[in-house]
Amino acid sequence: EIVLTQSPGTLSLSPGERATLSCRASQSVSSNYLAWYQQRPGQAPRLLIYGASSRATGIPDRFSGSGSGTDFTLTISRLEPEDFAVYYCQQYGSSRRTFGQGTKVEIK
Amino acid sequence: QVQLVQSGAEVKKPGASVKISCKTSGYSFTRDYLYWVRQAPGQGLEWMGVINPSTGYADYAQNFQGRLTMTRDTSTSTVHMELSSLKSDDTAIYYCAKGGDGSGLAYFQNWGQGTLVTVSS
Repeated sequence: EIVLTQSPGTLSLSPGERATLSCRASQSVSSNYLAWYQQRPGQAPRLLIYGASSRATGIPDRFSGSGSGTDFTLTISRLEPEDFAVYYCQQYGSSRRTFGQGTKVEIK
Repeated sequence: QVQLVQSGAEVKKPGASVKISCKTSGYSFTRDYLYWVRQAPGQGLEWMGVINPSTGYADYAQNFQGRLTMTRDTSTSTVHMELSSLKSDDTAIYYCAKGGDGSGLAYFQNWGQGTLVTVSS
């Protein structure tokens, strides 16, 4: 099973600032099948990025994904108030899909 | 538009079983795989398993082998998830999610609203 480790656990930033979230895999993610999800309190997760760098439909271009192999990054270029949430990475390149433990982006 | 609508909250006693439904609409039901994910209170996301709605074949995460069953009803475009031998740490929100590209290895493009299952004596 591929273990995904996200860092930092919590990111304290102000609106307008840039957020950089990391996701590291215990082994290479096949075909860069790595997705990012946003979860706001009381809501279901929402797909942001798939295939490491493709934005899902309707996702603003301030969200971008990068990386390959074992190291992946989600960047939010300028934080909007609605972006303060928990973010999860997920690998779907193996039959045992796994999630990272999440990074909380909170208002400083 | 794609919709996944789950059944309502459940309260169960330890040792009992729970069956949750996920009714889909807005796309061809047999095209995309459907997944189940759970989230314990204040915790992260845990993948439980996947079902191919076309064939009915299901694959389960190791943690749930032997007590998890996923089925589908093509006449109503609905998938069901049944978890047996419930324990208190099965208390969680259970989500169904639709895969994004018709393959068995897909990101989770659309999500249901979640179903809270509480296991308590």
